[in-house]
Amino acid sequence: KQEVTQIPAALSVPEGENLVLNCSFTDSAIYNLQWFRQDPGKGLTSLLLIQSSQREQTSGRLNASLDKSSGRSTLYIAASQPGDSATYLCAVDGGTSYGKLTFGQGTILTVHP
Amino acid sequence: GAGVSQSPSNKVTEKGKDVELRCDPISGHTALYWYRQSLGQGLEFLIYFQGNSAPDKSGLPSDRFSAERTGGSVSTLTIQRTQQEDSAVYLCASSYRTGTGYTFGSGTRLTVV
Repeated sequence: KQEVTQIPAALSVPEGENLVLNCSFTDSAIYNLQWFRQDPGKGLTSLLLIQSSQREQTSGRLNASLDKSSGRSTLYIAASQPGDSATYLCAVDGGTSYGKLTFGQGTILTVHP
Repeated sequence: GAGVSQSPSNKVTEKGKDVELRCDPISGHTALYWYRQSLGQGLEFLIYFQGNSAPDKSGLPSDRFSAERTGGSVSTLTIQRTQQEDSAVYLCASSYRTGTGYTFGSGTRLTVV
């Protein structure tokens, strides 16, 4: 059974800092990994999708890497802003659960001015 | 449509009543998923549709829960004889095909009183 772990559970940083969110998964036979953002009381917004054949994806100030063999992904946020405050969720598609996503518990990020 | 649409956005119901939640996926997306997010919990997979068939219903928590999809488009999640533990946000996601990344709706917040 695929299990996804996110570290840290919560992070509070001052505006402008660069930060790294970590995600690990137990079954490396995945099809892709997706990072989402969830604002309080809202649905999920897709940030980055990394296919299993890819090593990283970039969008603006966000960069996500994938090391499938070691079961790890990181989300790097450059020059953080208060508007980045949200819960960040990592989800994997595939392995023993192909056809559905297995989510981590999320990292709650607070960026204070 | 431009995104995944869910209705209603909020639903308050009395214990024991039946409820229907609706999901309208992105046009042309063949895969559709229902997830549940309970307060303080992670996202829990409920059911997966490929076209109109549901090859994976493994996440439905009890026989009070059922879902259908018609015309390869709109899906309805039905909860019969609602219980307080059914209170959660129910999220729907769709994908062009499995393994290509997912777009989530804003969810339906269900409160059973």
